[in-house]
Amino acid sequence: KAGVTQTPRYLIKTRGQQVTLSCSPISGHRSVSWYQQTPGQGLQFLFEYFSETQRNKGNFPGRFSGRQFSNSRSEMNVSTLELGDSALYLCASTGLVEDTQYFGPGTRLTVL
Amino acid sequence: AQKITQTQPGMFVQEKEAVTLDCTYDTSDPSYGLFWYKQPSSGEMIFLIYQGSYDQQNATEGRYSLNFQKARKSANLVISASQLGDSAMYFCAMNPIYNQGGKLIFGQGTELSVKP
Repeated sequence: KAGVTQTPRYLIKTRGQQVTLSCSPISGHRSVSWYQQTPGQGLQFLFEYFSETQRNKGNFPGRFSGRQFSNSRSEMNVSTLELGDSALYLCASTGLVEDTQYFGPGTRLTVL
Repeated sequence: AQKITQTQPGMFVQEKEAVTLDCTYDTSDPSYGLFWYKQPSSGEMIFLIYQGSYDQQNATEGRYSLNFQKARKSANLVISASQLGDSAMYFCAMNPIYNQGGKLIFGQGTELSVKP
C-alpha cells in the first residue's frame, strides 16, 4: 500500500500571499489530520477531516482552512501569510478500525 | 488540561545498549491512545508503537516496547539494542478521542543520539 503523500515538499512564499498544500491519504483511509511543526511551538494540531466534514479543529486563526474531497484527498489553505507561518506542515491519515495516524513526509513552507 | 510531558530534551546511548525515553501524560478521559513516533532529520514522522488505555499488556513492536503505567500516567518507550539509525527525535503523543482518528497531542520530543 502506498503511504501518505504530500505536495509540494517545499514552498517559498512572501508575506501576504496565500498557499495551498495537498495531502493524499493511504488508500481506504477516510480521516485526514493536519499539523504544524515549528521549533518554538512544537507540533500543533490544525484540523481533521472525515468524510468531507471537519470533525475536529485546533486553535488556529481563520486564515488556516481546509477541505476534503470525495476521494479523501485533503487540502489546507493559508491566506495572508505571516512570517510566523513558516513551518513544516504534516498531514496524517487514519483507517476506520484503528487509532493510529500515519504521516506523510511533510511540506516545508518558508515565508519571506 | 490534556498534556504530554517529555522531560529529556536530549539523550545519548551507546550502540547496542538499551535506552528508555520518558513520557508522562495528563488526561481525565477514561479512553485514550498513546503513541510514539520517530522523526529523522528528513522530517517524516514514523509510527513506532501504540498503547490503548484499556490494554492490559504492554505493547511491543520488534525492538520497541512501551512501558505503560496507567496509575502513574506514564508511557515510556524502551528501545533495545540501539542502532546508529535510531538517532532521531522521538515524540510521545496522545489521542484523547479514542478510536475516532482525530487529534494528537504531542510532547516536546527527545533527541536521541546513538554513539558507535
